[in-house]
Amino acid sequence: AQTVTQSQPEMSVQEAETVTLSCTYDTSESDYYLFWYKQPPSRQMILVIRQEAYKQQNATENRFSVNFQKAAKSFSLKISDSQLGDAAMYFCAYRSFTGANSKLTFGKGITLSVRP
Amino acid sequence: SAVISQKPSRDICQRGTSLTIQCQVDSQVTMMFWYRQQPGQSLTLIATANQGSEATYESGFVIDKFPISRPNLTFSTLTVSNMSPEDSSIYLCSVDDRGGTEAFFGQGTRLTVV
Repeated sequence: AQTVTQSQPEMSVQEAETVTLSCTYDTSESDYYLFWYKQPPSRQMILVIRQEAYKQQNATENRFSVNFQKAAKSFSLKISDSQLGDAAMYFCAYRSFTGANSKLTFGKGITLSVRP
Repeated sequence: SAVISQKPSRDICQRGTSLTIQCQVDSQVTMMFWYRQQPGQSLTLIATANQGSEATYESGFVIDKFPISRPNLTFSTLTVSNMSPEDSSIYLCSVDDRGGTEAFFGQGTRLTVV
């Protein structure tokens, strides 16, 4: 079974600074997807960024980028120029590439606070 | 992308009663997913609802406690039955994009059982 581990329960960053959130996973599959989701206090789960395992290039979405290390099974999220609106809970998630509607496995999440 | 409307957004219920949560999607989808998020915890999949067949439940969740309906391709309900304080959680519905890779979520229902 796949597992996703987020070992840091909380992190804090100064506004405008950069922060990296860690995530590791365990799987025996070679094709899969990895995600970072953001959940602000409104409870709405928002997709931040997605990485396909077969792609060597790290995904980037504006201020958000990942460091995907497939051999190490590591998938960290870097947030640059942190903003107050980035304060939220962040979940790392895994999905196998076995076709449509396979299950998402979530990590425990990390609470990010942004200091003004 | 899919737009999901989930109702109610929150409720406070007496123990022993039941609550039905509704999830409406703006497009037809094959499967809908129901998650539970206990306070300060991650999301746990309760069941997968496929239109025209019985829902598939994950280990630890049973139909008598969490009956699900899926009458058409845009709508589903999850009922939390015979509630106890341990059922206090956020419940979220989710659907996939057409490629079956990216998940979209409703706004969640915050349930408090007293």
